Amino acid sequence: QVQLQESGPGLVKPSQTLSLTCTVSGGSISSGGYYWSWIRQHPGKGLEWIGYIYYSGSTYYNPSLKSRVTISVDTSKNQFSLKLSSVTAADTAVYYCARGAAADYWGQGTLVTVSS
Amino acid sequence: EIVMTQSPATLSVSPGERATLSCRASQSVSSNLAWYQQKPGQAPRLLIYGASTRATGIPARFSGSGSGTEFTLTISSLQSEDFAVYYCQQYNNGGGTFGQGTKLEIK
Repeated sequence: QVQLQESGPGLVKPSQTLSLTCTVSGGSISSGGYYWSWIRQHPGKGLEWIGYIYYSGSTYYNPSLKSRVTISVDTSKNQFSLKLSSVTAADTAVYYCARGAAADYWGQGTLVTVSS
Repeated sequence: EIVMTQSPATLSVSPGERATLSCRASQSVSSNLAWYQQKPGQAPRLLIYGASTRATGIPARFSGSGSGTEFTLTISSLQSEDFAVYYCQQYNNGGGTFGQGTKLEIK
């Protein structure tokens, strides 16, 4: 059974960079066949796609976030990561990592609050 | 950027009845369309991918149809556990846009 777990700071100051890591267990990122996604949900709102990465490193980003987002993969650790720069209060959300462009396995989500 | 529009925003249906949810894309996404169910405090659950293929473990009362720009999720004979928020998502050509969601509530 594939499991994903997000980790990282729950509080980030405005203008700083939000950094999250997703650790995958029960399956190997480098086995291929899937994109690995980041998705967020603002409090009480809908889902927002951030982007996804293939094990080879190919990335696709939401155009509205593209200038601030970097998604990377570390196959040796079976992890992939999200960096979102120059954050503001509008980036406060629950951040999910997931397997697939059509995401069949999800992490539990982690709340990241942007506040000084 | 492809915009996904779901309708209605809220749908009130009685248990045992059928629910029909719609999703429209601003341009063709072929069959690269997924449906998710989300309950409060939980991560979304994949129901349908490829517009019409049920994900593993999803009951047969959930069905998806459509291609191009018009898609439908049908839930036949609603069960109590089906009342939730439903999202569509396109993943065509490196995209991933979600619709704004349809809240399915008990009538």
